[in-house]
Amino acid sequence: SQTIHQWPATLVQPVGSPLSLECTVEGTSNPNLYWYRQAAGRGLQLLFYSVGIGQISSEVPQNLSASRPQDRQFILSSKKLLLSDSGFYLCAWRSAGTHIAVTEAFFGQGTRLTVV
Amino acid sequence: ILNVEQSPQSLHVQEGDSTNFTCSFPSSNFYALHWYRWETAKSPEALFVMTLNGDEKKKGRISATLNTKEGYSYLYIKGSQPEDSATYLCAAGGSQGNLIFGKGTKLSVKP
Repeated sequence: SQTIHQWPATLVQPVGSPLSLECTVEGTSNPNLYWYRQAAGRGLQLLFYSVGIGQISSEVPQNLSASRPQDRQFILSSKKLLLSDSGFYLCAWRSAGTHIAVTEAFFGQGTRLTVV
Repeated sequence: ILNVEQSPQSLHVQEGDSTNFTCSFPSSNFYALHWYRWETAKSPEALFVMTLNGDEKKKGRISATLNTKEGYSYLYIKGSQPEDSATYLCAAGGSQGNLIFGKGTKLSVKP
């Protein structure tokens, strides 16, 4: 069966420090991978998604970047965190294929990031 | 850019009440509409994925309808129970692999 791992669960980082959140998927190959953020009082915002190794699509301009160094690994990074980067970050995967629009997403447990 | 709207933002009902909420999405270039349930301290889980105009799906006391021509979907919960308390998210699935969520409707069911 497929599983998704996301860590750490919580993180408190000072402003200006770097960030690295990691997400890995097991039990499937060539998944589509996603990073979402839920800021306080807001909805689930799509930050990045990837349909293959080295392929990253960014939905909104921001202080963050994403990378996919391996097929089932998705990393969210920042060189210098801002206060506005605080939020709940969720990684998700979906099966790849010609009918991607109809495939459901499976989410990790999330990372609560507080920038102080 | 897909823009998905949900209403109401929050809803408080008594146990046994039936309720419904709305998801609006662009009707042009429509591919798929997803509904997810997000319970506190858990990850969002898929309820339904719908593609056809007029489609209706049901899972227990929860059902959803889809109108792709006018760009909306309704989620219904019949006889709400406290365990139905959660945030209900809808999302539009694009052909390029993106999945855009609305802000959700937070449902609280009082015993």
